[in-house]
Amino acid sequence: KQEVTQIPAALSVPEGENLVLNCSFTDSAIYNLQWFRQDPGKGLTSLLLIQSSQREQTSGRLNASLDKSSGRSTLYIAASQPGDSATYLCAVMNSGGYQKVTFGIGTKLQVIP
Amino acid sequence: SQTIHQWPATLVQPVGSPLSLECTVEGTSNPNLYWYRQAAGRGLQLLFYSVGIGQISSEVPQNLSASRPQDRQFILSSKKLLLSDSGFYLCAWSVRQGQPQHFGDGTRLSIL
Repeated sequence: KQEVTQIPAALSVPEGENLVLNCSFTDSAIYNLQWFRQDPGKGLTSLLLIQSSQREQTSGRLNASLDKSSGRSTLYIAASQPGDSATYLCAVMNSGGYQKVTFGIGTKLQVIP
Repeated sequence: SQTIHQWPATLVQPVGSPLSLECTVEGTSNPNLYWYRQAAGRGLQLLFYSVGIGQISSEVPQNLSASRPQDRQFILSSKKLLLSDSGFYLCAWSVRQGQPQHFGDGTRLSIL
């Protein structure tokens, strides 16, 4: 059974700082990994999706990496802004099973002006 | 562009009452559709997914059921709600398996 862990559970940083969010998963037989952000009381917004054959994806100030063999992914946020404050979720889709997506509980990020 | 709508945004229901949550997608055809539940302090749990009209798969035995009466309409139902059904319900769609999932704004369900 796939398990997804996100560390830290919460993070508070001053504006402008670069930061890294971590995601680990127990079963390396994955199809892809997706990073989302969730604002309070809202749905999820897709940030980046990395296929199992890829090592990283970039979008603006965001960079996500994937090391499938070690069961890890990181989300790097450059030059953080108060608008980045949200909960960031990692989701892993397993190969071999249709649409079996396992989510982490998330990292709650607060960027202080 | 594609959009996804969920309603209602919030719902307060007594134990034992029925439930119907609706989700519709616009701007795409034959999407994969999903229902998730997010409970406090827990990750999102996939409840149901559908690859086409009338095709529903259940991930976890639940007091809930799902239906897809039209291509872009996905409904989550219950005949009798339990206290444990409280949570944040999210609908999502994707073009096909392995492609990014896009979420609606969710329904906050409170059972009294």
